[in-house]
Formats: sequence, structure tokens, C-alpha cells
Amino acid sequence: DTEVTQTPKHLVMGMTNKKSLKCEQHMGHRAMYWYKQKAKKPPELMFVYSYEKLSINESVPSRFSPECPNSSLLNLHLHALQPEDSALYLCASSQPWAGAKNIQYFGAGTRLSVL
Amino acid sequence: QQQVKQSPQSLIVQKGGISIINCAYENTAFDYFPWYQQFPGKGPALLIAIRPDVSEKKEGRFTISFNKSAKQFSLHIMDSQPGDSATYFCAASMSMRQGAQKLVFGQGTRLTINP
Repeated sequence: DTEVTQTPKHLVMGMTNKKSLKCEQHMGHRAMYWYKQKAKKPPELMFVYSYEKLSINESVPSRFSPECPNSSLLNLHLHALQPEDSALYLCASSQPWAGAKNIQYFGAGTRLSVL
Repeated sequence: QQQVKQSPQSLIVQKGGISIINCAYENTAFDYFPWYQQFPGKGPALLIAIRPDVSEKKEGRFTISFNKSAKQFSLHIMDSQPGDSATYFCAASMSMRQGAQKLVFGQGTRLTINP
């Protein structure tokens, strides 16, 4: 099973709302990633967790707050977003220290619209 | 230095033809070069990948050619089929802290196979 499950599939929120995106994997991977993808653009890395610790933050605004409660779950908490934050948010997972055999498996994403 | 340049942006090929997408990179710290296929409304899915010490890898109709000295790699799709119509991203991966991997994506190629 190489499935990464993301919920919800679609989310519409106002600029004053607080919402959360959820990602789950049961492949035993210990690295999990959040990406943002705008239309017709490649995914851009936002955060990386390795062994449940934040490893990389690509200078993401503080209105995005990641959380890794356990090795299978990854959340992205959203607060006071701007319309330009509307995008497809992708979660991925991989096995750390896999070197040249590292494969990141992606979920289907959450399509976020900020009004 | 961390950019991956991909061309062409879009490509139209007749059914049964060969589709060729090219990528180039600068940073020699990259240690793994995957290609991802993305259909509308879906997350990217790994198609095929290569290590820099290998010059060619073939899986079915898909072949990666890798030129380490030129820092270039390409994807060839033989006998292209309408079902291959999708966006293709090349990527380059490098090892980061705690075993995580950072994927840097090319800008993507929208491939259309005409029946």
C-alpha cells in the first residue's frame, strides 16, 4: 500500500477562519512533507518533518502552522490566510536515509480556496 | 543553483510517436533524479527515477537518459498513447537534515497525445 490520504479534498475558507488540513500514511515512513502547488506550476516545498521533528521550513509565513502528532499523521493549521494562498496543498511521505532510493509518495491534495 | 530547468513547456505528439522531455540542473549535490506524472486533480505519481552513476534506465515504454558531465537528463516515452496525456515534472533530490530529502521540481511539461 503506497497510499497517502489527505482530507478534506476541497476547502473553502474566509480570511478570518481557522482550518486544518490532514494527511495520513501507513507505509511506516518517517519523513513527511507539505507542498503548495499553484495552477500550472510545480509543487513548492513548504515543510519537512523527519522522525516527527520539523526538519525544514522553507520560510513559510506563520499563518501556516504544521504539526506532526505521530509518525503517521501530519497536519497543516491555517489561520488568517490571504486569497493568494489559494492552491492545491500536497502531502508526501518517504523513508529517511534511503539515499538514492528515496521515493516521495504524494497524496491527491486538498484544493483550498480563500475568499 | 537549486533550479532544475525543464523543456518544452508543452508538447503535442501523435499516437505511437516518441515523446521527449529534457531537463538540466546545476547543483552537483543532487543525488537522485525522479520523474513524476500528474493528472488533473491528482497528486504527482512517481514514474521512473535514476541515480547519477547510471546513464540510462528503462521501464516499459519509459526511458531516462542521464548525462552527468553535461548535467542533463531526459525522459523518452516510446509508442506514446492518449492515456499518457498528463503533466510531467522532472525533479532533482538532495539529502537534508535528519535524512529528509528535498525535491526540486522542473517547471513541468504538459504532454498531449493525439489519437
